[in-house]
Amino acid sequence: SQQGEEDPQALSIQEGENATMNCSYKTSINNLQWYRQNSGRGLVHLILIRSNEREKHSGRLRVTLDTSKKSSSLLITASRAADTASYFCATDTSGSRLTFGEGTQLTVNP
Amino acid sequence: DAGVTQSPTHLIKTRGQQVTLRCSPISGHKSVSWYQQVLGQGPQFIFQYYEKEERGRGNFPDRFSARQFPNYSSELNVNALLLGDSALYLCASSARDIYEQYFGPGTRLTVT
Repeated sequence: SQQGEEDPQALSIQEGENATMNCSYKTSINNLQWYRQNSGRGLVHLILIRSNEREKHSGRLRVTLDTSKKSSSLLITASRAADTASYFCATDTSGSRLTFGEGTQLTVNP
Repeated sequence: DAGVTQSPTHLIKTRGQQVTLRCSPISGHKSVSWYQQVLGQGPQFIFQYYEKEERGRGNFPDRFSARQFPNYSSELNVNALLLGDSALYLCASSARDIYEQYFGPGTRLTVT
């Protein structure tokens, strides 16, 4: 079963706009990670945030984590057409596996 | 440096057959995990191996098995294939138990 739920399921924006995706989860976590997947290919790791962190930045990416609400958000600033992909959050709860949500399909229109 | 490699890229099998998928981790990575991704869904955890020992097993039937070799490469075996086993099978390696995982391009399995 999926631990995480991404919201929205699909998002369509114009190039240059910001994209925000949300993830909710059900149980306590060690860390939360965000991945990108292009057209059903392998996943690319974007960023990891530990349970004792509240915010993390990497280039145009900003991730927040609210463990009291069991939720995380991924912000992509100044989006580009190349950012078009599916984005997944994944939680590490037991140290031996990642549990993925069902993803947000982001489309950035040029 | 080479990333995670998987073979074959695509595979078509008939119901009831058996299949073996292969994965080579990034050099120096001792942990390999396998995931199944059905079209339109997120990946689901199948197995994790670390230092050649099984460290985790997902909610999959016993038809699914795996192993890790001394060079840390891994095989995933699926017996008695069902139509529902059609999916993208992803292998990921990491330097430690979990942390950031590096995924291969996947093997697309179609069961007819």
